[in-house]
Amino acid sequence: GESVGLHLPTLSVQEGDNSIINCAYSNSASDYFIWYKQESGKGPQFIIDIRSNMDKRQGQRVTVLLNKTVKHLSLQIAATQPGDSAVYFCAENRSGGSYIPTFGRGTSLIVHP
Amino acid sequence: DSGVTQTPKHLITATGQRVTLRCSPRSGDLSVYWYQQSLDQGLQFLIQYYNGEERAKGNILERFSAQQFPDLHSELNLSSLELGDSALYFCASSLRPGQGGAGNYGYTFGSGTRLTVV
Repeated sequence: GESVGLHLPTLSVQEGDNSIINCAYSNSASDYFIWYKQESGKGPQFIIDIRSNMDKRQGQRVTVLLNKTVKHLSLQIAATQPGDSAVYFCAENRSGGSYIPTFGRGTSLIVHP
Repeated sequence: DSGVTQTPKHLITATGQRVTLRCSPRSGDLSVYWYQQSLDQGLQFLIQYYNGEERAKGNILERFSAQQFPDLHSELNLSSLELGDSALYFCASSLRPGQGGAGNYGYTFGSGTRLTVV
């Protein structure tokens, strides 16, 4: 069936480095993608989204890249800080209507000071 | 504080029992979603309500049920509990049936209820 998956369950980086979290999706009908951050003891929190008519979208210290050819998206975090330590989820959805997003399993980002 | 309130925060119960989890959506939001998060399954969508009516169903077991009340709060009922039901249960809300992103269609998650079945 259709699925959203993450390449790496855990990513460890040094403070100040750039982080890249990857995500693969398989539903070719998906045209809307969302990244969430989940800190310990909290629910997922929206970070950034991107629609399939874009290849790249930038936020504050975060960039999402979308490669529709290989059904892959990534979240780049610049100058990673200890406060970025969390589990990051990608989710795919379809715009229009009231589709429910499908979440990937999450990547745990550990930032070492 | 996200504005979505879930109670209780922790719940420990025995197999075979029944529990009720409660969710108060963010002020003004009409749609409520329930998710189950376990280590091996990630975030699984269970059910959605919009303005009191069931809108969408995901991988919700027959032992589980939910409802949304006129004041828009929602309850998730879990019965005949099994060890495998131990998980974090999240509620999310949005103004309109959501796509999960930002704005009026975006999700705001609560902090979850951690259910442990022993």
